[in-house]
Amino acid sequence: NAGVTQTPKFQVLKTGQSMTLQCAQDMNHNSMYWYRQDPGMGLRLIYYSASEGTTDKGEVPNGYNVSRLNKREFSLRLESAAPSQTSVYFCASCLAGGLEGEQFFGPGTRLTVL
Amino acid sequence: DQQVKQNSPSLSVQEGRISILNCDYTNSMFDYFLWYKKYPAEGPTFLISISSIKDKNEDGRFTVFLNKSAKHLSLHIVPSQPGDSAVYFCAASAKRTGFQKLVFGTGTRLLVSP
Repeated sequence: NAGVTQTPKFQVLKTGQSMTLQCAQDMNHNSMYWYRQDPGMGLRLIYYSASEGTTDKGEVPNGYNVSRLNKREFSLRLESAAPSQTSVYFCASCLAGGLEGEQFFGPGTRLTVL
Repeated sequence: DQQVKQNSPSLSVQEGRISILNCDYTNSMFDYFLWYKKYPAEGPTFLISISSIKDKNEDGRFTVFLNKSAKHLSLHIVPSQPGDSAVYFCAASAKRTGFQKLVFGTGTRLLVSP
């Protein structure tokens, strides 16, 4: 059981470049999430997917798009990267997405936009 | 507007003593609270949670206390161990959203010295 995996671990982009961050979970969880972590800001929700086939905006969705490819995979795309998107990105999954229950996090992707 | 606040960025404790990490929230609709621990270069890992119908939840060395009237929760670690040195995030969610969308605090860095 790998849990939640993310690729790549590190990435450096130039302003305006695009990239997709990949996330997969093998726990048969229904709900998946993308967060970003910035110094002094905690973790902020970018997008989430309550179940396969659905996606919704979180607190900070501007500049991002997501795809819930299947139950296992949830990708985050930056179409035109900006320096303000320099951050550590975490993917998480949760069994049912209901009120209670823990979210399981991946190891993170550290992204630098120059 | 920070709905979940961790006002102490850091805390230093000696091994064997009690660590008390605090968290305040402003949104009275929050009714489920979690604590996560994060080591450098890893994703957050779930530690303990509490529902608003309780005022205390214990799991081994970790106890979470909830004071709804004060909108305050705390995490007690007894006894503290050097391996507990990490960043601790509190998080909250509201039943009215119908779905678990966590709002995180900014984190407290705990250092437990031998």
